[in-house]
Amino acid sequence: EDQVTQSPEALRLQEGESSSLNCSYTVSGLRGLFWYRQDPGKGPEFLFTLYSAGEEKEKERLKATLTKKESFLHITAPKPEDSATYLCAVRSSGGSYIPTFGRGTSLIVHP
Amino acid sequence: GAVVSQHPSWVICKSGTSVKIECRSLDFQATTMFWYRQFPKQSLMLMATSNEGSKATYEQGVEKDKFLINHASLTLSTLTVTSAHPEDSSFYICSARDPGENTEAFFGQGTRLTVV
Repeated sequence: EDQVTQSPEALRLQEGESSSLNCSYTVSGLRGLFWYRQDPGKGPEFLFTLYSAGEEKEKERLKATLTKKESFLHITAPKPEDSATYLCAVRSSGGSYIPTFGRGTSLIVHP
Repeated sequence: GAVVSQHPSWVICKSGTSVKIECRSLDFQATTMFWYRQFPKQSLMLMATSNEGSKATYEQGVEKDKFLINHASLTLSTLTVTSAHPEDSSFYICSARDPGENTEAFFGQGTRLTVV
């Protein structure tokens, strides 16, 4: 059974204070690891897909990295508008297209 | 990225009535759509997988007679909450995957259902 664990559960940062969110996973053959951003009362917004260990992707202040056991979402010099819940999900090579989601990390960036 | 539109964004209904939520893929054809439920400060809970032209596949513990899913076309899936009760109040989100693109799924805006 695929498992995704995100840490920390909640994170408070000062504006400009860089940090990383962690997503640890157990999967029988990784078919894709996904990062989403979710604002309160909204559906998740797709950020990145990573497919293999060593892969990295960037978008503005966000950078996602992947190893065989975990993924990190690095936030460089965050701004208050980066405040949101960040969700990680994995899809295995077992044939199903259904992703397994973690519980998310709630990020608050104070001005 | 692909666009998934969900309607309505919020609805308030009386206990015992039924509510229909629509999920549309706007720029691609989705043979499969997913319906999730999300409780406050919790992650997404998959309710069912909606397959175009066939019956939906429900997750364990989800009442298929209460949460009716119809996927009559490649761009539209509907979730009907029948005989709604206050405990059905929640945030419902749909997602769809474009089979012709990368394997990530795109989500609708979500529907906040309040049953009074």
